[in-house]
Formats: sequence, structure tokens, C-alpha cells
Amino acid sequence: GESVGLHLPTLSVQEGDNSIINCAYSNSASDYFIWYKQESGKGPQFIIDIRSNMDKRQGQRVTVLLNKTVKHLSLQIAATQPGDSAVYFCAEEYGQNFVFGPGTRLSVLP
Amino acid sequence: EAGVAQSPRYKIIEKRQSVAFWCNPISGHATLYWYQQILGQGPKLLIQFQNNGVVDDSQLPKDRFSAERLKGVDSTLKIQPAKLEDSAVYLCASSLDRGLWNEQFFGPGTRLTVL
Repeated sequence: GESVGLHLPTLSVQEGDNSIINCAYSNSASDYFIWYKQESGKGPQFIIDIRSNMDKRQGQRVTVLLNKTVKHLSLQIAATQPGDSAVYFCAEEYGQNFVFGPGTRLSVLP
Repeated sequence: EAGVAQSPRYKIIEKRQSVAFWCNPISGHATLYWYQQILGQGPKLLIQFQNNGVVDDSQLPKDRFSAERLKGVDSTLKIQPAKLEDSAVYLCASSLDRGLWNEQFFGPGTRLTVL
């Protein structure tokens, strides 16, 4: 299930299940979005991106969905594995740089 | 290919002291970024360099923070004097060039604790 922790929302899923991580963005004019994965003690790592002229993009085991009407992004991870445990951030274009969302912690249960 | 290197990995100082962080970007990357990541939040851009010039420092608290990239390669971020609210992870990232389509590669960060 999904719960709000002291600092970060946390999503707990069973190994092998699909995960869906959500993100609301603020700027309706944003044209480009990125999902990052941040493991403990490491910097963020690029996972997948999407431009505003698309509503879906697929990668290896990951899919990003973009709903511009409600300014919402989601990251779907298929067959979640222990190595997927991390904090996931969405980032939206802002001028020539990006603004990162607050992040969601994904916890994969054995 | 070597990634972005940062040092030190951890630093503990008392408030009002000074501290400096070092970053070595990926070889050949013209653009370098410094981010501040407070616990439980996403990274926030502090400053962006293109070679040895500053592109964006609009969110850098210039009364206490400074950064340089004198030869267009390594960079140093300094805080003087530090405040309690500066406790955070300071991330360095680099990209081949400017522009949103150039992937940013992040270093492991320096965790700063101000007591």
C-alpha cells in the first residue's frame, strides 16, 4: 500500500508485482519530464523521459504516462525486483533546467 | 568510463565554520551543476556552469555560497559561514553540453552536517 512517511511518501510492493509511482507537476507549459532513481548513498540516475507531445513511453520494464489535462505523471515498473528499491523523483522542465518533485520511496518486500 | 567524482563524501562542521566541496565531472563534459538536496526532498539547483562561465546562479545564496570552475573542468563549492539549515547532500552533476536533452550524470554527493 501507499502511506505518507515522516519525510517521503512510501510505496511498498511485493517482489514480482507491478509498481505505480505518481507525480503531480505544477507548470502546464512544461515540455519535458524525466524520472530519476536514487539509491541510498548515490546520486540520482536517469530512468526514462517523455516529451509533452507524447502520453506514453516505454523502456525496459518501465513505462511513463503523461496526463497533461491534470498535470500528472506516473512511472510504472513491471515485475518489481529488490534492486528497484530506491527513491524515485520526477523532474519537470523549468526554463533551461529542471525542478525535482519531492520523491517517493519504493520498498520491495520479499 | 569514470563517473562524476566528489569529495569529501561526508563532512561535519559547526555553524559559522567554512567548508568546501570538490567535483570532477566526466571527461569532456562542458556543463557542470551543483545541487542541494535536503533530507526528504528532491535536489534543488544551486548553480550551473558552461565551461568556466556561470549560466545560472539564480538560486545560489550568494551571501554565503560561492562556486568556481576556473579551468572549465573541476569545480569547488564553498559555504562561508555555514548555518544549521545548510545541512544537506550536495550533488554535482555534469552533462556533455547545455540543453535539456543532454542527460545529466550525478556524482554520489557530499553529505554535510552542520552542528
